[in-house]
Amino acid sequence: GAVVSQHPSWVICKSGTSVKIECRSLDFQATTMFWYRQFPKQSLMLMATSNEGSKATYEQGVEKDKFLINHASLTLSTLTVTSAHPEDSSFYICSARGSGGRQETQYFGPGTRLLVL
Amino acid sequence: AQSVTQLDSQVPVFEEAPVELRCNYSSSVSVYLFWYVQYPNQGLQLLLKYLSGSTLVKGINGFEAEFNKSQTSFHLRKPSVHISDTAEYFCAVSRINNNDMRFGAGTRLTVKP
Repeated sequence: GAVVSQHPSWVICKSGTSVKIECRSLDFQATTMFWYRQFPKQSLMLMATSNEGSKATYEQGVEKDKFLINHASLTLSTLTVTSAHPEDSSFYICSARGSGGRQETQYFGPGTRLLVL
Repeated sequence: AQSVTQLDSQVPVFEEAPVELRCNYSSSVSVYLFWYVQYPNQGLQLLLKYLSGSTLVKGINGFEAEFNKSQTSFHLRKPSVHISDTAEYFCAVSRINNNDMRFGAGTRLTVKP
């Protein structure tokens, strides 16, 4: 149980285009989802926290107009990188936290590698 | 806010040897503690977690960790490692009833034949 999927697993795009990444909790309802960014050989940096049906809370220094997050249902959150530039190239990982017995633990997706040319 | 320090960025070890990956945390309130493993180009997989109760926690793949409140530590151990344990290991802490999870910088475990 507690499986989280991400799609796509990798994407290459041209500078200036927008890219949407989906994060789904497959076997539980995720009341809260998190989006992280990871640079090579570094730890995870929390970008934003989203609760189903409400606006995401962004960490300091993360541009909310550039990284649009939508948590439309209890099983789906999307991250859209708008007008992507080469410096946005990174490994993006989502995680999901449920309710009840799954409230304390974040379950992570497999990640999406973004390369902006 | 809480924080996590992983004392070793890299730990090389020979196959079948024991290993300990160190993690210390800082928090003014009670916390939950986690160890995650990340294989190349993959997301994070939960190894084990401490929420309450027994301070010795057993996880998957033969790993265990001990919560030591007085030393604010949560070190990860395995008595005999395999080549397949080569990966990046992250210690994480979150405050009880709070979304805010903080990760350590990671420890790269390399198991040599």
